[in-house]
Parts: sequence; structure tokens; C-alpha cells
Amino acid sequence: DSGVTQTPKHLITATGQRVTLRCSPRSGDLSVYWYQQSLDQGLQFLIQYYNGEERAKGNILERFSAQQFPDLHSELNLSSLELGDSALYFCASSREYDGSSGNTIYFGEGSWLTVV
Amino acid sequence: DQQVKQNSPSLSVQEGRISILNCDYTNSMFDYFLWYKKYPAEGPTFLISISSIKDKNEDGRFTVFLNKSAKHLSLHIVPSQPGDSAVYFCAASGSLNYGGSQGNLIFGKGTKLSVKP
Repeated sequence: DSGVTQTPKHLITATGQRVTLRCSPRSGDLSVYWYQQSLDQGLQFLIQYYNGEERAKGNILERFSAQQFPDLHSELNLSSLELGDSALYFCASSREYDGSSGNTIYFGEGSWLTVV
Repeated sequence: DQQVKQNSPSLSVQEGRISILNCDYTNSMFDYFLWYKKYPAEGPTFLISISSIKDKNEDGRFTVFLNKSAKHLSLHIVPSQPGDSAVYFCAASGSLNYGGSQGNLIFGKGTKLSVKP
């Protein structure tokens, strides 16, 4: 158990809909990351938040957005869903932001999203 | 443009033998490298890491080697066990141009290791 909690574990929704994925980081971790894993793309970094502020952006679509709340939990909002958005979405967390060596990130078990 | 490449999608090894998983990277700004292990329907689990100031790091049966001049790292598992069968992801991070955050790891596409009894 990594200590990172994600809900829901599975979600099926129709095209055009909007969903929200939730993540609680490990206790004490200030950074939260979102990754997408689809069948042919491996693990793709989407976005990072540190202590409530966006820190880095990766391959995140404009239809997707995220935020980190004062209690450090994070939500990933996916809207106008398309079939190709079906994937496993991982949240991860870590303690350090400042780039010191050893900043290992720990992953949750993921949220399976199926768009039909 | 893949910055981290795992060129072998799969590897099959006999139990008790050595497993060697390889990873190449292109970005010379990467200075921290990690290996994650992933079972189906689970999140990636951190296995071992290495900083660019080292060329080797050991943890039990797992050793990671880093060759900076070749931009290559490898994970050695000795001896391999059936429970090691999983997908192994290589990941890299560094002080890139967004505030020095090392967190957003760049992952390879993974190598599926099968250890046969």
C-alpha cells in the first residue's frame, strides 16, 4: 500500500460526459501528480501540483483540468469525453519539490475510465 | 519524441538466472533515474533509483547501473524469481526548465518480464 488513495477505482461513462477523479496523497506529501496510461502510450505525465499551485504541465488536453485543494487532495476533471480518453489514470505524490535528488514519487492504484 | 526508451517490450528468463532490463535516454539534463515495477491492475511500485553522481546502486537482488556517457541504464535482478514477473518501467527526471521540479518523471513504455519456473 503506497498510501496514495484514488477514487473511483472504475468508472464507465458515455462520450460527451464529464467525470472527476479524486486523489488523496500520502500523509505529509505536498506534491501531487497525474499520469495517464493508455494501451499504446505507456505512462504519460499530465500535470503536477505542489501545495495547491500548478508546478508543471505535461501532455494534458485542454478538455482536462486539475486542482489541488488546501487539504492537499487533488481532483482531475475530464470533460467532453471521447472514446480515446479511456485509460487508467494514476495519481502519485511526493514530499519534495525543489529538485533535490531522491524525490521518489509513489503511485496510487489508479482509476479505470471507460468511455462508451 | 521519446526521451526515455525501453527497446525490449518483453523478456523471458528462467528462474534463478539473471534478468537484465535496459533503458536509454536522450536528455542530458536528466540526473535521477528510477525503476518501477507494475503488476496488472495495480499502480507502479517504486523499486530502486540512482542519482547521476553514482554509477551503481544495489538493493538486495536488484542492482541498477548507470552509464552517463552512453545515456544508458540497466536493472539487474539476480536471482530472478517467478514473483518478479511484471512490467518494469524505467523513469527519469531532472532539473528541467520549469522551476527545477524533479517530480514529473518521464517514463519508458515498459518491459514485460516473465520469469519461468
